Amino acid sequence: IAGITQAPTSQILAAGRRMTLRCTQDMRHNAMYWYRQDLGLGLRLIHYSNTAGTTGKGEVPDGYSVSRANTDDFPLTLASAVPSQTSVYFCASSLAGETDTQYFGPGTRLTVL
Amino acid sequence: GQNIDQPTEMTATEGAIVQINCTYQTSGFNGLFWYQQHAGEAPTFLSYNVLDGLEEKGRFSSFLSRSKGYSYLLLKELQMKDSASYLCAVRDSNYQLIWGAGTKLIIKP
Repeated sequence: IAGITQAPTSQILAAGRRMTLRCTQDMRHNAMYWYRQDLGLGLRLIHYSNTAGTTGKGEVPDGYSVSRANTDDFPLTLASAVPSQTSVYFCASSLAGETDTQYFGPGTRLTVL
Repeated sequence: GQNIDQPTEMTATEGAIVQINCTYQTSGFNGLFWYQQHAGEAPTFLSYNVLDGLEEKGRFSSFLSRSKGYSYLLLKELQMKDSASYLCAVRDSNYQLIWGAGTKLIIKP
């Protein structure tokens, strides 16, 4: 792979179910991020990780958890999905430096019924 | 609170020039980014400004005035493929990106 990938591409989920969205990058970026994007709103940060082994909460962390066991992978888990978590989820990564530009994965479209 | 304002939608003609404005109020400033996002796709990086002035990159230029909390993205010689949403984002004092809702640019022949 080259860049950043996400899986699944899309998913329909029953409310109350547990779901893990996967994100993998091969750019050796130290920082990774999870955003959700909803119509009419800007990207909102859910959780982030500045380096393997550390994570932090973003603007909208409730109902979500993350882990960062290694540099490449940054999964996002919904412990018990609710309809308000219906959204498009983007994973991003960046290499700490002057610009610290974030590069995005293709996104996961999640529908919670 | 923190706020990024951009027009919701703009329309322009193929071959013309369009300017997309972005104003911001954030806790601290550590750079401003412009991203392009085609419908159904991921945002892709266009430009970065941290000092006042104009940064030019081909048909795209980005301007920043930190004292006014203002930036614009200038697109020249518009092509149909430039139809997309353009996202403005500011890196705040915590080095987190605060995103605007985006400007949907419609290009007409």
